[in-house]
Amino acid sequence: QAVVTQEPSLTVSPGGTVTLTCGSSTGAVTSGHYPYWFQQKPGQAPRTLIYDTSIKHSWTPARFSGSLFGGKAALTLSGAQPEDEAEYYCFLSSSGVRVFGGGTKLTVL
Amino acid sequence: DVQLVESGGGLVESGGSLRLSCAASGFSFRSAWMTWVRQAPGMGLEWVGRIKTKGESSPTDYAAPVQGRFIVSRDDSQNTLFLQMNSLKTEDTAVYYCYTDASWAGHVWGKGTTVTVSS
Repeated sequence: QAVVTQEPSLTVSPGGTVTLTCGSSTGAVTSGHYPYWFQQKPGQAPRTLIYDTSIKHSWTPARFSGSLFGGKAALTLSGAQPEDEAEYYCFLSSSGVRVFGGGTKLTVL
Repeated sequence: DVQLVESGGGLVESGGSLRLSCAASGFSFRSAWMTWVRQAPGMGLEWVGRIKTKGESSPTDYAAPVQGRFIVSRDDSQNTLFLQMNSLKTEDTAVYYCYTDASWAGHVWGKGTTVTVSS
């Protein structure tokens, strides 16, 4: 089964920009993996931020964006806010395989 | 508002069974693919299984660790999703979330229900 890799932790300054990435052990991540990004704060259920690589829901802050870059899915946060401190999970789906990444703990400091 | 509410969690002995429910409201449940995801204590998210809408081919699929032990089903008349868990193991201990795969329903998550499997 594919292993989906994410940075275990990242730190960003308030107002700064950070990119979280999501790679696959089977090769390049493409739009055919329909990458999702979820945000989870301590003690809360996850919330869907982005699906199908780059599509946002109405509640997704404009400062979040999704893309493909360098064979990986990417979540970019531009203008980080204290409330963006959370765990972020990517999810890939392809040919019957559906796997979450291990998550990235994002600290805004 | 779209809402999912899980129930049925609890403490069960290893080898036992448990049935989780997920009550849906605020969207056309019968038109939505539904998924179960779990999260062991202090760990990340793990995809468990998914069910498509009635009449679709290959209606369910499962993660390898639960294949043959867990069954996902749905009752569209009751707007309810189920997860039948059999032959439970201690490693099945987790918070179980239901989640709608439908973008038009907002990919909403429930708040989860806790399952503890004791040895």
